[in-house]
Amino acid sequence: QLQLQESGPGLVKPSETLSLTCTVSGGSISSSSYYWGWIRQPPGKGLEWIGSFSYSGSTYYNPSLKSRVTVFVDASKNHFSLKLSSVTAADTALYYCARPYLPGRTRDFDSWGQGTLVTVSS
Amino acid sequence: QSALTQPPSASGSPGQSVTISCTGTNDDVGGYNDVSWYQQHPGTAPKLMIYDVTKRPSGVPGRFSGSKSGSTASLTVSGLLAEDEADYYCSSYAGSNNHLIFGGGTKLTVL
Repeated sequence: QLQLQESGPGLVKPSETLSLTCTVSGGSISSSSYYWGWIRQPPGKGLEWIGSFSYSGSTYYNPSLKSRVTVFVDASKNHFSLKLSSVTAADTALYYCARPYLPGRTRDFDSWGQGTLVTVSS
Repeated sequence: QSALTQPPSASGSPGQSVTISCTGTNDDVGGYNDVSWYQQHPGTAPKLMIYDVTKRPSGVPGRFSGSKSGSTASLTVSGLLAEDEADYYCSSYAGSNNHLIFGGGTKLTVL
C-alpha cells in the first residue's frame, strides 16, 4: 500500500527558504505514469494546491506561488522535495504531499501524507 | 483566480440527505467536467470522495454522489451517518494557467 511521509523543519524564519521532503514507500516515484503533488492548509483554513509534477519532468504550479516554488525528485531515495523561497507568515501552513488516484492525472489526490506543520516566524 | 464558493456550514439529521454546493465560473467548474470533492475529519488528511463530477473512487460508499449544473457543482450525502460529520472541500480544474483551485470548505454537522 502506498504511503507518503512529509519531513522538514517546523520553523522557518521570514525571507528564508522552506524545504520539505516527501518520502514514498509502497510504490516507485520514478513511475512515469503518476504525478505527485504538494498541497497546503493554513491553520483553521482551506486547502491550497501548490503544484503537481511527474518524474519525467512535467510540472504544473499554482500561478500565485510559481515564482517561489521549486520541486526536486530523488529517485534513488524514492523521495521528492519542495522548496518555497522568500517565505512570510502567510506561508504558515500544514503541508501535505499526495498522489492522484489515477495515472496521468495531476489532481484528484487519493493518497496523502499525514502533513507537516511549518510555521514562519522570527 | 478566486477560490470556489461553498457555504460555510450544512447540517442534517441521521438518515436524511444533505447537499453541499460549490459555485465557480465558466473558467473552472462551468468549463470542465473536472470537479472533485474531499472529506476531511479533524486532524486527518483529506480523503477523495468524488472525482470527474460524478465518479467515486474504490471504497467510497454509494451514499456519496456528485452532480453539476452550469457553474455549480454539488455533493449529496444520503442516509447521513454520524461519521459523515466533517469538512468537505470541492476542487476544480481551472484551465492550463490556473490548473487547480479549491473551495473554501463546508462544515457538515450531523444533528
